[in-house]
Amino acid sequence: DVKVTQSSRYLVKRTGEKVFLECVQDMDHENMFWYRQDPGLGLRLIYFSYDVKMKEKGDIPEGYSVSREKKERFSLILESASTNQTSMYLCATGTSPNNEQFFGPGTRLTVL
Amino acid sequence: GNSVTQMEGPVTLSEEAFLTINCTYTATGYPSLFWYVQYPGEGLQLLLKATKADDKGSNKGFEATYRKETTSFHLEKGSVQVSDSAVYFCALRSSASKIIFGSGTRLSIRP
Repeated sequence: DVKVTQSSRYLVKRTGEKVFLECVQDMDHENMFWYRQDPGLGLRLIYFSYDVKMKEKGDIPEGYSVSREKKERFSLILESASTNQTSMYLCATGTSPNNEQFFGPGTRLTVL
Repeated sequence: GNSVTQMEGPVTLSEEAFLTINCTYTATGYPSLFWYVQYPGEGLQLLLKATKADDKGSNKGFEATYRKETTSFHLEKGSVQVSDSAVYFCALRSSASKIIFGSGTRLSIRP
């Protein structure tokens, strides 16, 4: 089974702090994704990556950056957290574009 | 642009009731269509999918048929169980590696 793990299930940070969310997958998938999930808005794509050191902006990249130094690890960075970034963050991986995505359990981030 | 519209929740049903969750889409070309499910405290997992018109996806008693003429992919189950309580997301794959999700429908089943 594909396993996608995220570094924290719950995280509380202060406004202005730098926040790192880590995602690790064990199935050698090329594609990795970061989404945020908000009530009534579904999932919105923040960034994705097709390969190591490669990244593409999704639909809502503002206020976020990403890093992919190794194939199995994809990090989401909030350079200066703000209260409107309080949300559930979901990492996903996938193989070819025609196939499904596999999701991690999510990190619920609260920014005070 | 490409989009997915699904019925708003929450939907509350009694056990053994018939379930329909409506989903319609707007897309150019021939997208693949998906239903994902999110159980409490977990990430999303694929429930079923269909890749071309008239395909029927099925899994765990759930079914959905890709209807190009009505641009729909409604989710159905003949007899729901308490364990089906979850949030259900309709989605389409619009281009290489990008999936567009609907807003989700929360389903609660009463014993």
